[in-house]
Amino acid sequence: DAKTTQPNSMESNEEEPVHLPCNHSTISGTDYIHWYRQLPSQGPEYVIHGLTSNVNNRMASLAIAEDRKSSTLILHRATLRDAAVYYCILKPGNTPLVFGKGTRLSVIA
Amino acid sequence: DSGVTQTPKHLITATGQRVTLRCSPRSGDLSVYWYQQSLDQGLQFLIQYYNGEERAKGNILERFSAQQFPDLHSELNLSSLELGDSALYFCASSVGGSGYEQYFGPGTRLTVT
Repeated sequence: DAKTTQPNSMESNEEEPVHLPCNHSTISGTDYIHWYRQLPSQGPEYVIHGLTSNVNNRMASLAIAEDRKSSTLILHRATLRDAAVYYCILKPGNTPLVFGKGTRLSVIA
Repeated sequence: DSGVTQTPKHLITATGQRVTLRCSPRSGDLSVYWYQQSLDQGLQFLIQYYNGEERAKGNILERFSAQQFPDLHSELNLSSLELGDSALYFCASSVGGSGYEQYFGPGTRLTVT
C-alpha cells in the first residue's frame, strides 16, 4: 500500500484556519487522496477526497501539490467540534481504505 | 448521524463464545464494509460486501465470517472468541463498490472476558 506521513499531533485556536499536512511521495497516478476524521467515541467520518485538482466541500478544502507528493486538508475556521484524529489515506481505485495513525488535532478555546 | 446503524452498541461475552454483530447501511448504499479498531492495531479493514457478494477481504480471521442479505443489511459473526478480539467493530457503507465515500456507523464495542 502507498504510504502517507502525517504529524502525530497539531494544535489550533478556535475560529482560526487549520492546515493539516500529508506527505505521500510514493503516490501513483491512480491513487486518490482521501481524508477521514474520527471524533472521540465515534466512528470515522468522511471528509473529502481528490485526485489532482483542489477540492472544496462544506466541511473542508483539499489542496493537492502539483507533483501530488503532498496535500493539505484545510479547515477554514476550527471549532471545538473539529477536535479529532484526521487520517490521510491513499486509495488506488477499487481497494479498501487503509488507515494509518493520523494526526490528532486539538482545538483550544 | 451517518445513516448507518449498528446493533448492539455494547456486547460483553466470555472466551470461546460466538456473537453476531448487525449493520444496516444507508438507504441506497449497496456496499457494506467491516472494520476492527483496537488500541494496538488501530483501524483495520476486515471485509467488504457489494450487493450481496463478497468484494474484498482484509485481515479477517478464519474464526470470523460475514454476509450481506438481500435487504442489504450485513452481519459479522465472530466465533471461538479470544481476549484479543475485544475491540470496536465498525460498519461502513457506500453507494458503489469502489468505496470512495464511506459512511461509518457508531460501532459495536465488544468485550471478551
